[in-house]
Parts: sequence; C-alpha cells; structure tokens
Amino acid sequence: GPKVLQIPSHQIIDMGQMVTLNCDPVSNHLYFYWYKQILGQQMEFLVNFYNGKVMEKSKLFKDQFSVERPDGSYFTLKIQPTALEDSAVYFCASSLGLNTEVFFGKGTRLTVV
Amino acid sequence: GDQVEQSPSALSLHEGTDSALRCNFTTTMRSVQWFRQNSRGSLISLFYLASGTKENGRLKSAFDSKERRYSTLHIRDAQLEDSGTYFCAAEGGGNEKITFGAGTKLTIKP
Repeated sequence: GPKVLQIPSHQIIDMGQMVTLNCDPVSNHLYFYWYKQILGQQMEFLVNFYNGKVMEKSKLFKDQFSVERPDGSYFTLKIQPTALEDSAVYFCASSLGLNTEVFFGKGTRLTVV
Repeated sequence: GDQVEQSPSALSLHEGTDSALRCNFTTTMRSVQWFRQNSRGSLISLFYLASGTKENGRLKSAFDSKERRYSTLHIRDAQLEDSGTYFCAAEGGGNEKITFGAGTKLTIKP
C-alpha cells in the first residue's frame, strides 16, 4: 500500500541544537501531519499542513517548531532550539484529502541529550 | 476535552479467545481508523471506516453509522502475534485532523 517514509529513523542531538526531521509523504497526497509520542504514551497531534500553510496546530507545537514543504520535496519538522522534553518519537502522516484515510510513517525517534 | 475515549486501557487474554475493544466519541465523527502499534513502535493500519463494518481475517471493525459516536474492534481466536497496543483515531468534531484514543494494551498469553 501507500508508504510514508521518514528519515532518519533515529536521531540523537545535543540540547539547544537545531534538528530537522524529514518526511516523504505519499506522492499524490495533499494534507500532511506531524504527531508526537512519548514512549508508551498517547499519540499527540502537533500540526497539519495544506497548500503551503499550517491549518491547525496544538499547544504542543511550540514557537521553536516549524514545518514546511518547499517545492513538493520533503515535508519537514524543524525544532530550533531543541529541549530535553522534545525527546519522543515523531510520526509523519499524509492523506489525499480531509475525511480520507491517513497513512503514517514508521516514526523518527529523537533523543535530546 | 478528550474527544476519543478508548476502553479497556489494558487487556490480557489467552490464545484462542475473542475480545472486543471500543472507542466512544464525545461528538459526531466522520471516520475512524484502527491501528496496532508493535513492540518496535511501528503503527500498522488495520481499518479505515467512514461507516458500516469491515472484516479482515480474524479482525472485524464497526463504526456506528447512525449516531457516529462509537466504533468497535473485534479480535476472534486471538494469537500471540496479536499482542500490541491498539489505537483508534477519529476525524470530525469540527477538527481537520485525526484524534487518537489513549490505546488498549493487549497481551495474548499461551
């Protein structure tokens, strides 16, 4: 079936540094999402993105977070600067439209030390 | 408040038994998805429903088509490989995103 690819699968970064998580969504999809999951806990919505703009973001989407998808390339989540509490698995997802099936990547495990 | 309430939070069963997981929604939802998260953390999509029921092998899911306020996942003849955390996620309630339940941790014992 359709696949969402996330690169890298693991990343370790020093607190205060910048990190960019990359997502290659399903090729014809138009809506993109990031979710955060702290180990063993709930999947928490961060942000969704359509037509070059953030549509909705949660309170977890701090000012240090930003998303973009320049020229149809990777959909990225950038955190600058990182904090210890940003350690989590970040899942990217995409869908063709609203109220259609959402496809998830395997996640990027981010460890901030 | 939380829009997706999932139950039970944990369930332990012997192989060969049947189980039912449930998600209640505090508002009308347009669609629901069910996932299993394995021990490596990967999310495996099980079902996407905008209404009615779907079946795949020993798994069957239903989405209340009338009120659109709950969904169920039935597992028949549980096997060891069914162990994992099951999440439902629903779209609707005025939001343009899917909201996850807290998950059901399912353990299948020999």
